Parts: sequence; C-alpha cells; structure tokens
Amino acid sequence: AQKVTQAQTEISVVEKEDVTLDCVYETRDTTYYLFWYKQPPSGELVFLIRRNSFDEQNEISGRYSWNFQKSTSSFNFTITASQVVDSAVYFCALLNTGKLIFGQGTTLQVKP
Amino acid sequence: DTEVTQTPKHLVMGMTNKKSLKCEQHMGHRAMYWYKQKAKKPPELMFVYSYEKLSINESVPSRFSPECPNSSLLNLHLHALQPEDSALYLCASTDRGRRVDGYTFGSGTRLTVV
Repeated sequence: AQKVTQAQTEISVVEKEDVTLDCVYETRDTTYYLFWYKQPPSGELVFLIRRNSFDEQNEISGRYSWNFQKSTSSFNFTITASQVVDSAVYFCALLNTGKLIFGQGTTLQVKP
Repeated sequence: DTEVTQTPKHLVMGMTNKKSLKCEQHMGHRAMYWYKQKAKKPPELMFVYSYEKLSINESVPSRFSPECPNSSLLNLHLHALQPEDSALYLCASTDRGRRVDGYTFGSGTRLTVV
C-alpha cells in the first residue's frame, strides 16, 4: 500500500523558533519520489522540494531544510527561525503510478 | 509563463444550475489534473488527462464532467451538484515526460453549492 502519514495535525510556534514537520511514507516501490508543498490561505499549492529514492542527501534552501532517511521511511522538513509568513498548511506527498498521494497535512501557525 | 490559471476564483451555484470551471496553462505540459479539496483535508484526485485524453477517472460522480478541448485548457462542467460538493477545486499540470519534477497547481476555485 502507498501511504503518507503526517502525524502532526497542528503546530503553533512563536516567531524565530525552529520547527520540524514530520512525514512518514509507505511504498513497496524501489523508485519513488517525495514532495513537500505549502498551501497558504489563498489556496494555491506551492512546490517546495522533490526528492527521489536514490538521493538521500539532505538539502538546505535558505531557512528550509529536509532530512530524508530511507531506513525509517521519513522525509522531515525543518524551518529555521520561523516567520509569520511561514504560517500555512504543509503537505508531504508521494508520487506513485502517476498519482500524487498526499498526507493529511500539518497546519503551522507562527505567532509574532 | 509558469502558471496554472483557474477561473473563476469563487463560485456559488444552486443545485439545479449548470456551471463550468476553467483551467489554463501555457507551459507545454501534456498532463492535466483536477483535484477536489475539502476543508482541512488533503487534495483528492478526480481526473487525469494525458495528451488531451482522459486517462484516470477516480470514480467521480457523473455530475462532474471534465473536458480537455486542447493541450492548454481543461474544463470541469458541473451539473446538479449537492451541497457536499462544496470544496476547493484545484487544477494542476505537469510535463508528462517529467512528472517527477512535480506538479504545478493553480490557486483553485472555491465552490459553494446552495
């Protein structure tokens, strides 16, 4: 079965705190692709990152970083020094047989 | 142009109305998608078009009728909807040969059925 689990439904932090959003996936495929999307209140899903199953190198992009660990089937996302503009719903997703399978999403609220 | 444009942004319709949602992209993407998203839920796939042909229908009720008139345009025709069909409808596209690069999503149409 293909499945993505985001166990954290809602997270609330104060500005400048670091925050990690968890993502655990299940797949029997050896080749697969994982994504993170951000959905602000406006509704648009904004692509943040893609990672394929053969590339376990962690990635950093500004205040964002991602930790991909195949051994634990996890693809976690960390925001360093959070800002109010980071407030949004964040989705982790798995690409399988042409379908993008989303986790339930984590709502992040960053308070000033 | 790296956008997916959806119109209208908001739509209120009665249960006996017929309306259409429109999605347009000019990135040369040959795969286009309709997703439905209820409040506080992830997007759910409805339809997939590949090279203007319907390739996946996720058992969507016939009151939703998709159409792909050309490679840049995707419509979703609505008829006799129910209040529970109220949701955010998202369109997405991807380069079919490079699907793994990710999908580009529009900002959606917020539909309210009264």
